[in-house]
Order: sequence, then structure tokens, then C-alpha cells
Amino acid sequence: DTAVSQTPKYLVTQMGNDKSIKCEQNLGHDTMYWYKQDSKKFLKIMFSYNNKELIINETVPNRFSPKSPDKAHLNLHINSLELGDSAVYFCASSHGTSWPGELFFGEGSRLTVL
Amino acid sequence: SQQGEEDPQALSIQEGENATMNCSYKTSINNLQWYRQNSGRGLVHLILIRSNEREKHSGRLRVTLDTSKKSSSLLITASRAADTASYFCATVLGNDMRFGAGTRLTVKP
Repeated sequence: DTAVSQTPKYLVTQMGNDKSIKCEQNLGHDTMYWYKQDSKKFLKIMFSYNNKELIINETVPNRFSPKSPDKAHLNLHINSLELGDSAVYFCASSHGTSWPGELFFGEGSRLTVL
Repeated sequence: SQQGEEDPQALSIQEGENATMNCSYKTSINNLQWYRQNSGRGLVHLILIRSNEREKHSGRLRVTLDTSKKSSSLLITASRAADTASYFCATVLGNDMRFGAGTRLTVKP
């Protein structure tokens, strides 16, 4: 069983569209994250949720809205997509929030905006 | 913003050789972690070293941490072609984890 699964793996869409990426973890972890990896492989944190509560919200355009219906799920919705949003988005989870230990990553969702 | 900076950006070695990657950071940390990423895949945790530890081993991996110099190194001994991947360090302070830009390691058979 995949520990952290995210869908879709690939997403190609036009500028201006709205799209969502879903993430689920079956590890029983309390904390989930969204990271963005650009073409230069920089990995930047976007959001972090603990038990459905937002705890980290980096300087991300408000076109990006995370939603956590329960602690096993953290979805990412992106409105009015722009060319610069093209990247690989990784979902991750960890056991706690204080001094995060090991992060478990999903396989990534490659978003291409045309 | 990025925290750790890996050095070198890219490293190419022959199978059987050792590979050393370095990570420098700027602020205090609670722990530092190393991850591996195969092309087109997610990151996989390799090893965690706490701020009060100086060295840690796991199989062919050896990690050192010098908090006075704000630096860490990852040594992979007796490298294999399968070790070809990008390696990232991540610094943790409180509930914040920041990644460096990674070192791309190529191990030639």
C-alpha cells in the first residue's frame, strides 16, 4: 500500500483554469505538507496542516488554497493558473509538528500550464 | 526561502568510490535530515541527525554535523550505480523544515 498518494501524477492545463491535486496518507500521521519543486529542483514549503489546522502558510498567492477535510487528506486547489505555476507539487506527512522527524513524500504531481 | 545549501551542485564518480556532499545553513537548528530523490520520484528520508549529535551512521551512509560551522556532510561509501540520484539536506527549527537545492550524484558503472 502506498503510504502517501497524490493524484493526478500529471496535469496539463491552460492558463486561467482552476485545478486540484489530492493527497491522502494512510500512516496515521498528524501533519501534512505541500511542497513545490521548480525546474531547478528547489523544494519550497507552501503549507502545513496539523489535525486539519493550518500551521504553516508561506508567502503563496491566494490563488492557492489548501483544504484538509480530515487529518488523512490534504488537497490543493489552484485558481486562475499561471505559467509560473508549472512545477512538481509534492505532498508529505510526518508524525508530529514539534521538531518534525522523517517526512514521507508522495510521488509528486507534475503540473504544466500552457 | 531556502535554508541549506548543498555543495557541490553536481558530482560524478566511478562505482566503488566514495561520494561526499556538504550542506551549509544559516540559522540554528533542532535537527538536520538528508533525503534522496530519484529522477521523477518523491523524496526518501535517509538519515536524521540531532543538533546535539556529531556523527551518525546508517549502512554505507555517514553523516556529520558541526553546529559551530553550521555545516553537515553526507558520505556514501563504496558507491553503486543505483546511488545515482539527487541528495537534499533539510534543516528543522521548531515546526519549520527547509530544504537545500540538492546535489546531483552520478555514479558511473
